[in-house]
Order: sequence, then C-alpha cells, then structure tokens
Amino acid sequence: DTAVSQTPKYLVTQMGNDKSIKCEQNLGHDTMYWYKQDSKKFLKIMFSYNNKELIINETVPNRFSPKSPDKAHLNLHINSLELGDSAVYFCASSPGESRNYNEQFFGPGTRLTVL
Amino acid sequence: AQSVTQLGSHVSVSEGALVLLRCNYSSSVPPYLFWYVQYPNQGLQLLLKYTTGATLVKGINGFEAEFKKSETSFHLTKPSAHMSDAAEYFCAVTRRSGYALNFGKGTSLLVTP
Repeated sequence: DTAVSQTPKYLVTQMGNDKSIKCEQNLGHDTMYWYKQDSKKFLKIMFSYNNKELIINETVPNRFSPKSPDKAHLNLHINSLELGDSAVYFCASSPGESRNYNEQFFGPGTRLTVL
Repeated sequence: AQSVTQLGSHVSVSEGALVLLRCNYSSSVPPYLFWYVQYPNQGLQLLLKYTTGATLVKGINGFEAEFKKSETSFHLTKPSAHMSDAAEYFCAVTRRSGYALNFGKGTSLLVTP
C-alpha cells in the first residue's frame, strides 16, 4: 500500500491553463505539505497544512492554492500556469506537532511541464 | 530561521571507497536534522534522522551521520560505496515536529567502478 500518493505523475499543459495535482496519505498523519523541486533539484516548501493552520511560504504566487477536503488529502490547484511553474511537485505528510519526531514521508512527485 | 549548507554539489568516489557528504546547519533552536536520498525520477526516501539523544545516528543502506553541535555539522558517511548508492542526497533541518523542512541544495553522488 502506498503511504503518500500523487496523481498525475506527469502533467503537460499549455500556459494560461488551470490544473490540479492530487495528494492522498493513508498514514493517519496530521500535517501535509507541498514542496517544489526546480530544474536544479532545489527543494523548497510551498505550503504546510494541518487541521488547524495553513502556513504559506510568502514567496509562493497566489496563483497556487492548497485545498484540503479532509485530513487525508491536500490537493494543489494552480491558476494561469506560467512557464516558470515547470517543476516537480512533491507532496509529503508527517505526524504533526503532537509527536516527538518529525519524519516526513514523501510522495513520488508530479512532473509538471508548461508549454 | 533554520538553514543547511551542503558542501560540494557533486562528489565522486570509487566503488568500495569511503563516502563523505558534508552538511552544516544554522539554527537558533535545537534542530531536527535529516538526510534524504533521491534516486533518478523518484521521490525522497529518508536515510536517517537526528532529533534528540545519541549523536551518532545509523540509517538504512549502511549510512550513518554524526550530529556535532560544536561544529554545527551533520555529515553523512558510509564506509564502502556501492554502485547502487549513486543518487542525489539532501540534508534538511527543521525546528520542531509538524513544521516544514528546509533543504540544502543537494549533493549528487557518483560511484565509479
């Protein structure tokens, strides 16, 4: 059973389109995250979210918005896609603040290509 | 704020040689430190972590790391490199459970026959 899953694995789209990436975790974790990995493989946090708080990296354009229908899902919606949005997007989850450790489990990634 | 610096974007070792990947951190509070590995076109897999307690941490695939507060370092080592160790390695830091990780820029490990 996959702990953190993402769909789709690959996403190719045109500039200006709106797209969503889905993430699901079956670990019962409290906190979920979205990270962006650029072409130089640098990983940067975009959002972290638990059932109490959404923390947004201030550098993330407001075209990006996380949507959480329930504790096990954190989807990423992107409006008006731009060429610079091309990257690999990783979803992750962790047990949250109530535990004594902070191991994050990562999904397989979604490679977004904007043409 | 917490940050990490990985020295050397590319490291090349011979098969059977010692692997040493360097990571220095900056943190205003006691850090949680991690090493993740990423194989080509795959997600990130946790190698090992330091939260509290013993400063020498053993991980999967024969890797270990030592937390040295005086040197603000958390270097990753493996006594004998294997071809299958070729991958991208990321050091990461966070200040507490439930918070996002701040990653280093990664070190690409090449293992030659």
